[in-house]
Amino acid sequence: KAGVTQTPRYLIKTRGQQVTLSCSPISGHRSVSWYQQTPGQGLQFLFEYFSETQRNKGNFPGRFSGRQFSNSRSEMNVSTLELGDSALYLCASSSLSGTGAYEQYFGPGTRLTVT
Amino acid sequence: KQEVTQIPAALSVPEGENLVLNCSFTDSAIYNLQWFRQDPGKGLTSLLLIQSSQREQTSGRLNASLDKSSGRSTLYIAASQPGDSATYLCAVRPGGNQFYFGTGTSLTVIP
Repeated sequence: KAGVTQTPRYLIKTRGQQVTLSCSPISGHRSVSWYQQTPGQGLQFLFEYFSETQRNKGNFPGRFSGRQFSNSRSEMNVSTLELGDSALYLCASSSLSGTGAYEQYFGPGTRLTVT
Repeated sequence: KQEVTQIPAALSVPEGENLVLNCSFTDSAIYNLQWFRQDPGKGLTSLLLIQSSQREQTSGRLNASLDKSSGRSTLYIAASQPGDSATYLCAVRPGGNQFYFGTGTSLTVIP
């Protein structure tokens, strides 16, 4: 099975611009979560989508949004970029294991640099 | 709100040594706990998943234990190798599908 894929892998944007990141989960996985990772804050949960519906949301401003398509692929969008948005954005897909536990599988991430 | 702490933040050991990484969490009402490793600039690789009803899980040289009542988990790495050098993160799932991560332990294994 192919793993979680994220595109693009690297992005450089200017303050005030917007950006869209894409994530394709493992085939058959219906849940996709997004995380922001920075040296200072570590891994912070952005939101989770399940069957095209946002199921959980972290404590991020409304500039961060996402969506999920019927094929479970997900996108996240950041509008009006700020320098502090520079980070590694990670996507994880998950499904119930045979033992009934949710296990997350991560993609390689998108490194966003805002200048 | 669930808080996850990992101590130490960094650890350096000679090759061949056995070591223990610690993870503690504030709310014992969790469904499962997962250990990951992350290589610099890369995504996370799942190492072990422990359900709340389990006490430990093993995979090769790795053994993870869970003590829900005390809010602690440990990751034991036997006979460490330079290839084990990475950052190790633990994550807990209190409910739903939101995971809370610790800040990680950066491990360096010296040849």
